[in-house]
Amino acid sequence: DAGITQSPRHKVTETGTPVTLRCHQTENHRYMYWYRQDPGHGLRLIHYSYGVKDTDKGEVSDGYSVSRSKTEDFLLTLESATSSQTSVYFCAISEGGPYNSPLHFGNGTRLTVT
Amino acid sequence: KNEVEQSPQNLTAQEGEFITINCSYSVGISALHWLQQHPGGGIVSLFMLSSGKKKHGRLIATINIQEKHSSLHITASHPRDSAVYICAVSPLTGTASKLTFGTGTRLQVTL
Repeated sequence: DAGITQSPRHKVTETGTPVTLRCHQTENHRYMYWYRQDPGHGLRLIHYSYGVKDTDKGEVSDGYSVSRSKTEDFLLTLESATSSQTSVYFCAISEGGPYNSPLHFGNGTRLTVT
Repeated sequence: KNEVEQSPQNLTAQEGEFITINCSYSVGISALHWLQQHPGGGIVSLFMLSSGKKKHGRLIATINIQEKHSSLHITASHPRDSAVYICAVSPLTGTASKLTFGTGTRLQVTL
């Protein structure tokens, strides 16, 4: 199995508080992604990274920011959490882009914003 | 309308049955992915293909680029195959790093 660790696995937070989710990989893969999964919507891309300090927005990036200062770590920050950000968040990695490389997923982080 | 449509949305089968899950998409693509998600959440990549057919154990994935259609087949299904199967495409236009996902097919295999 690809070495991907998401932390925390579960988090409950209050509206308006900042939250940071961490994705750590040991595969030295270039691409890293943050997705959210909600019933009826499937997986949706929040942000992705194609190298250290190289990031781009996905389809649901509003309210989220990311940072990648090292190859192995990709952080997702909710600056001021809202109830609409209650979701399951998945990190994924791939050696190349998804046009030519399979994705490997972390185990997910279940975030509840009350 | 989602660019990726899967059918059926839900499927119940008896152990041993041959199962087909379909994925249709509306844009030109460079690759199509099939993923499996078991209850409890973990997502596993099953196949990535851009043409033809791939086989792994009891799983077979096919793609017809001209018809914009892919199928995932499971032979001799087993209760452990119960999961949600997700199709995703990497489009040729726009940013190829942004996969578009279907909403999944929920499969339950009973004894």
